[in-house]
Amino acid sequence: LAKTTQPISMDSYEGQEVNITCSHNNIATNDYITWYQQFPSQGPRFIIQGYKTKVTNEVASLFIPADRKSSTLSLPRVSLSDTAVYYCLVGDGWGSSNTGKLIFGQGTTLQVKP
Amino acid sequence: NAGVTQTPKFRVLKTGQSMTLLCAQDMNHEYMYWYRQDPGMGLRLIHYSVGEGTTAKGEVPDGYNVSRLKKQNFLLGLESAAPSQTSVYFCASRRRSSNQPQHFGDGTRLSIL
Repeated sequence: LAKTTQPISMDSYEGQEVNITCSHNNIATNDYITWYQQFPSQGPRFIIQGYKTKVTNEVASLFIPADRKSSTLSLPRVSLSDTAVYYCLVGDGWGSSNTGKLIFGQGTTLQVKP
Repeated sequence: NAGVTQTPKFRVLKTGQSMTLLCAQDMNHEYMYWYRQDPGMGLRLIHYSVGEGTTAKGEVPDGYNVSRLKKQNFLLGLESAAPSQTSVYFCASRRRSSNQPQHFGDGTRLSIL
């Protein structure tokens, strides 16, 4: 399984764009990249997933360079309610990558200030 | 549609006691997971299951046993609880198909004295 590395913490202010980068140097050809958000006392919830280039939904954008060894979660105009822990996972792909085993890293604690 | 339901939500045990945590999902998902999360830490995979009757070890399986007798249920057992197992336990499920997200329960907060 590919290991992921993220910054432990980040600070931002309301209204700013926040970019959180995740390194996954050993990503396999079949692996997807998935990001989750976790609020205190709650289970993680899915934010966005991608395989290559750029993916955008109503909540965030995910940028994946051609070599796929890293990915960047972009949160536009954050608010106080975006204060949470953000996790990047690699795996969950097809064929030999879909073993079912999914490992979380330490995550990035984002603190949004007023 | 309840999603993933964990029972109980809170529990206090004494060292050496046993208990079973129940996870139930109503989404007909093939894969199910048990994670533990210690204060200020990320989630660590205990055991997982890719189908009824099958289980596999995760990162930290020691001290825990699991069973998946029915597709919708995944049980996590502590045979002899230890203070080091004090944690919040999360269950998750997902479809077998590729690039399917995990759906998490609200967690079980377990304290072992």
